[in-house]
Amino acid sequence: GAGVSQTPSNKVTEKGKYVELRCDPISGHTALYWYRQSLGQGPEFLIYFQGTGAADDSGLPNDRFFAVRPEGSVSTLKIQRTERGDSAVYLCASSPLGLETQYFGPGTRLLVL
Amino acid sequence: GNSVTQMEGPVTLSEEAFLTINCTYTATGYPSLFWYVQYPGEGLQLLLKATKADDKGSNKGFEATYRKETTSFHLEKGSVQVSDSAVYFCALGPTGRRALTFGSGTRLQVQP
Repeated sequence: GAGVSQTPSNKVTEKGKYVELRCDPISGHTALYWYRQSLGQGPEFLIYFQGTGAADDSGLPNDRFFAVRPEGSVSTLKIQRTERGDSAVYLCASSPLGLETQYFGPGTRLLVL
Repeated sequence: GNSVTQMEGPVTLSEEAFLTINCTYTATGYPSLFWYVQYPGEGLQLLLKATKADDKGSNKGFEATYRKETTSFHLEKGSVQVSDSAVYFCALGPTGRRALTFGSGTRLQVQP
């Protein structure tokens, strides 16, 4: 079946601009996660949704980062006033109920110039 | 808090050599342990997992045993192939927090 999909696959923006990254989880998965992976590092947790609500947003680095999942399926990660340090690969993952294996999407590579 | 430490790479081996990638962890509670693999140009894929002490996860010839006494989950394969060239990530979780905690990754290069 279809896996986790993310769009766009690449995004280039200028410092100070606003960006939105989209994640489409595996159908029926109630848990959705966002991670950020910097070059040469492992993924770092940003936020976790169970259904429509953000159950844990403790990994968001500051208030420029925000994520929504209004209908409990697709999620959007929003970054305001982007900075060069935001450049990374943003990964989305989903799992059936939140306690099982997480399945990752291919990621969105964000470059802030 | 939770943390994962992996051996640094790159690890360069000849085809059919024996592979060990070390992974140790620090965690509260009773985490599950995972190895994920990232092939060039592809996303993270689950390679294997173990959910409790002394469990052995295995897949595609790779194995790892959950050792609570040494807080380790080392990845092994008896005979590597060129197609195994990738970055391997050890991870733990979820515990009280649902997120996975990843190590920094180990790049494996297998030469023919």
